[in-house]
Amino acid sequence: GQQVMQIPQYQHVQEGEDFTTYCNSSTTLSNIQWYKQRPGGHPVFLIQLVKSGEVKKQKRLTFQFGEAKKNSSLHITATQTTDVGTYFCAGYRGSTLGRLYFGRGTQLTVWP
Amino acid sequence: DAGVIQSPRHEVTEMGQEVTLRCKPISGHNSLFWYRQTMMRGLELLIYFNNNVPIDDSGMPEDRFSAKMPNASFSTLKIQPSEPRDSAVYFCASSYFTASYEQYFGPGTRLTVT
Repeated sequence: GQQVMQIPQYQHVQEGEDFTTYCNSSTTLSNIQWYKQRPGGHPVFLIQLVKSGEVKKQKRLTFQFGEAKKNSSLHITATQTTDVGTYFCAGYRGSTLGRLYFGRGTQLTVWP
Repeated sequence: DAGVIQSPRHEVTEMGQEVTLRCKPISGHNSLFWYRQTMMRGLELLIYFNNNVPIDDSGMPEDRFSAKMPNASFSTLKIQPSEPRDSAVYFCASSYFTASYEQYFGPGTRLTVT
């Protein structure tokens, strides 16, 4: 069954609006990673969160890892057209020799 | 570093034909993953290797699919015989899991089976 759930599946925003995608796991994760896939491209690693309650920022992107290490979120402030793409969360459960459990992704469209 | 290399980038074949996809992971990485991506099913893990040994192939759809990793710098995913429902983008990714777990994806092979 689906190990990592991600919502929403699609999000359309006007340029300048904020965007958030949420990720939930049925089991505790050792770490969580976020990837971005541009249209026609391949997933590219953005960031990894390891500690309970961790918050990391990359310019307009804010990543959070839940206290129970079962959920995570990605928030983009003031979206730009360059943010277009699909954002995936991926959980690492430990003792699985590097296997990641990917969510279905949130496809972000930004209207100029 | 050239990154993960996949070939071919595009493959169009007729139903029933054999298809072989190739992957060269990043040098020094010890884990290799084959994924399939479709609109309907998203990103699916087919099989992954650690130190050239297959660890979990439970994602391989059926016996028509097989994967090998004869050495640390090369892997193949073979479909025989191919069917139209195999049409998808196939990604290979590699990582060095004992240091960090981030995966580096190749550009993918877009497979169309007619």
